[in-house]
This record gives sequence, C-alpha cells and structure tokens, in this order.
Amino acid sequence: QSALTQPPSASGSPGQSVTISCTGTSSDIGGYNCVSWYQQHPGKAPKLMTYEVSKRPSGVPDRFSGSKSGNTASLTVSGLQAEDEADYYCSSYAGSNNLVFGGGTKLTVL
Amino acid sequence: EVQLLESGGGLVQPGGSLRLSCAASGFTFSNYAMSWVRQAPGKGLEWVTVISADGGSTYYADSVKGRFTISRDNSKNTLYLQMNSLRVEDTAVYYCAKRMTYSSSWYYLDYWGQGALVTVSS
Repeated sequence: QSALTQPPSASGSPGQSVTISCTGTSSDIGGYNCVSWYQQHPGKAPKLMTYEVSKRPSGVPDRFSGSKSGNTASLTVSGLQAEDEADYYCSSYAGSNNLVFGGGTKLTVL
Repeated sequence: EVQLLESGGGLVQPGGSLRLSCAASGFTFSNYAMSWVRQAPGKGLEWVTVISADGGSTYYADSVKGRFTISRDNSKNTLYLQMNSLRVEDTAVYYCAKRMTYSSSWYYLDYWGQGALVTVSS
C-alpha cells in the first residue's frame, strides 16, 4: 500500500489560514470517508486532530477543519497561531484492514 | 488519565529479534483495539499492525507480515509486539496507540505512547 501524498511544507503568518492537501486513490481516500489528521510536535507523539473526514475530537480547536473531495483530503488551519507550527500527517483507511499515512507536511508559522 | 508506556526498545543486529511492550492505564484496556505505528528517523508515520479488543483478530502491514506478531494480555493491561528477522529498514520509533473512544473504527487513534526506539544495525 503506497503512502498518501502530502506537500513537504506549508507556511502562513499568524492569523492567516493555510490548507494542507493529502492525495490518495480510489482505494483509500476516494473509497472511504475514513480520513483523519494528526499533529506532531518535534520529539512528541502524534495527536489526533480530525477524524471521519471533518469531525474534531473533544478539545481540538475549531480552527482546525477537515474536508474531502474525490481522492484528495484537506486540512485547513484558520487563525494561525505560533503553537500550530508542527508536522501534520493525514491517514486513511485503505480497505482489507489496512491503514495508510501521508508522508507529512511541516507547517511553519512565519 | 490515559497513559501508554512503551518499553523494550534497543539495538539489535540484522536478523535478530526484539519484543516491545506497551503498558496501558487510565482506561478499560480490554474494550479497545490497539495498534502499533512506527516512524523511521526523520520520516513519516507508518502503520504496522492492529489487534482487536479481545485479541482474536490481528492485521499487519505487508512490510512486516510474517515477521512481526502483535498480542495482548488483558489481565495485565499490556500490549506486545514481537519482532523477528529484523532488518535495517525496521529502524524506527515504535508507538502503541489506542482506538478512539467515541468511534468503533480501529483506525482512529486518540492516545499514543511516547515511543520506543528500535535500532537495527550491525
């Protein structure tokens, strides 16, 4: 199972919005509404930010929103804050009890 | 408070074996599927394996199938990963992770341990 494709980097200034894309295939993102996004700060464990494409776990700010169109999922971070600077990973169920992750995007807050 | 604490990492030669443990607390361990996810140095996340809440079902990524075995002891609230025939490319931080509380889907992981580093090198 191939990894999902993410841009290696993204950036924005405080207060701005930034969108990170995640491209898969009809066998993963396009075939299931089972996309999630994780945030990982350096040296820390990943944190679940969204699930089922657009839902947020309790405690995650509503500045983080997920969406999907066809084989591409997106994470939008609105009102960028310094603490949002981190690596972000998408993941998708890929059928047959397989889970696939993206390669990660480093978000820089300028 | 949910806590997941991995142990058992270390340096092993190619072809060798290692067993990781993940001690869980703060939730009813026997109610949740558990996964192992790894991250090679400077690289992205890679799902490795998952085990059902009762231990009756297990699934593996193709990259580790036939070499790694996931298991659990619900009486000890502990998850295991037995790694055999280790390769240099298995070098990574290995995280144990819990299925999300408010979803029946095992692939949403809401709590992760801090990870155990496994280095495969001669």
